[in-house]
Amino acid sequence: NAGVTQTPKFRILKIGQSMTLQCTQDMNHNYMYWYRQDPGMGLKLIYYSVGAGITDKGEVPNGYNVSRSTTEDFPLRLELAAPSQTSVYFCASRDNQGGTDTQYFGPGTRLTVL
Amino acid sequence: QKEVEQNSGPLSVPEGAIASLNCTYSDRVSQSFFWYRQYSGKSPELIMSIYSNGDKEDGRFTAQLNKASQYVSLLIRDSQPSDSATYLCAVKLEGNNRLAFGKGNQVVVIP
Repeated sequence: NAGVTQTPKFRILKIGQSMTLQCTQDMNHNYMYWYRQDPGMGLKLIYYSVGAGITDKGEVPNGYNVSRSTTEDFPLRLELAAPSQTSVYFCASRDNQGGTDTQYFGPGTRLTVL
Repeated sequence: QKEVEQNSGPLSVPEGAIASLNCTYSDRVSQSFFWYRQYSGKSPELIMSIYSNGDKEDGRFTAQLNKASQYVSLLIRDSQPSDSATYLCAVKLEGNNRLAFGKGNQVVVIP
């Protein structure tokens, strides 16, 4: 199993540009999450999904959109990038079988908006 | 009040000593608690989960949970330089399909 994979690893955007951060998991987890992490801070939830076709907002959804057409993929779309979106973005999936409730994180995407 | 608070600043401990990290949470009905370790430039990885009051030991790590006082702690015994990382406390919010994370505590183990 590759676990949770994210692309790209790094990206520099200009203000006003758009991009999609890709996230794929091969563990057949229903739950998937997008977080952002600013320097010295914890993880802030952007959006999450409890299964294909179902998404919901987290704490900081403004400026982002998501879709979940398959169990495996959960892309995050940034429209009209702003400097405030400079951050490290982590995708995660959750194993809620067997009572473990473990979240597995991807390696992250480091995004800079100039 | 923040959902999860980790207020201690960076913690420096000599190699072989015990590192102690604390976390408080606001959701009284939470039942699931986690400690994640995050090395610089890497993603968080789960090191401990705890669901019942008391202590849970896993190797050199011990998690302690007190639901009445709404705190959870992590002890790292015989600290090693490889334990130098940021430790994130996370609480599952009941009735909600998400975790709330604290901002983390940096631990530096000095050889």
